Amino acid sequence: GQNIDQPTEMTATEGAIVQINCTYQTSGFNGLFWYQQHAGEAPTFLSYNVLDGLEEKGRFSSFLSRSKGYSYLLLKELQMKDSASYLCAVRDSNYQLIWGAGTKLIIKP
Amino acid sequence: GAVVSQHPSRVICKSGTSVKIECRSLDFQATTMFWYRQFPKKSLMLMATSNEGSKATYEQGVEKDKFLINHASLTLSTLTVTSAHPEDSSFYICSASGVAGSFGGTDTQYFGPGTRLTVL
Repeated sequence: GQNIDQPTEMTATEGAIVQINCTYQTSGFNGLFWYQQHAGEAPTFLSYNVLDGLEEKGRFSSFLSRSKGYSYLLLKELQMKDSASYLCAVRDSNYQLIWGAGTKLIIKP
Repeated sequence: GAVVSQHPSRVICKSGTSVKIECRSLDFQATTMFWYRQFPKKSLMLMATSNEGSKATYEQGVEKDKFLINHASLTLSTLTVTSAHPEDSSFYICSASGVAGSFGGTDTQYFGPGTRLTVL
């Protein structure tokens, strides 16, 4: 079966750095997405990786290793507004998006 | 760019009534629209995928006659929850893809703000 694993919840301190991991087992691979979802709101697109390596976008970076079936989202200089759930999603060989359950990130002052 | 709207944002209805939710892509033509539901603290669950002018493709376990999807144009899709019951109460989210030049290609999904349905 297809499976995406993320930690359920993480806690970090304002101003610090946090890494949210995602491992996947899917039928084929055609890219990995990270979305941010604040409570009660719809997800917003953060990043996309299809080749191995690091993609940097401001305070957020996303890394992919296809051979290991592994990605992480790195958030730097954490702000209180970064408190949200972070969803990892993989596009499989049929171009279907397989969603992880999300990681709830709690930022403390 | 890539703005998706959803209406209404919140609806409360009596059991047995039907509720229609609209999803619009405001600044692009959406080749494909997706409907999801999400229970509290749970992941997104894809209900169906629709392309303009053709019948929606429903995921296994989703009742076609219960959740009617119409994709009338490249900018509008509607989800009608027929004869709603309390167990249909959920957060319904649509997304749309088709933006040329997007990170991730034209398959990248952009989400509407969601509709919270409460059936009494």
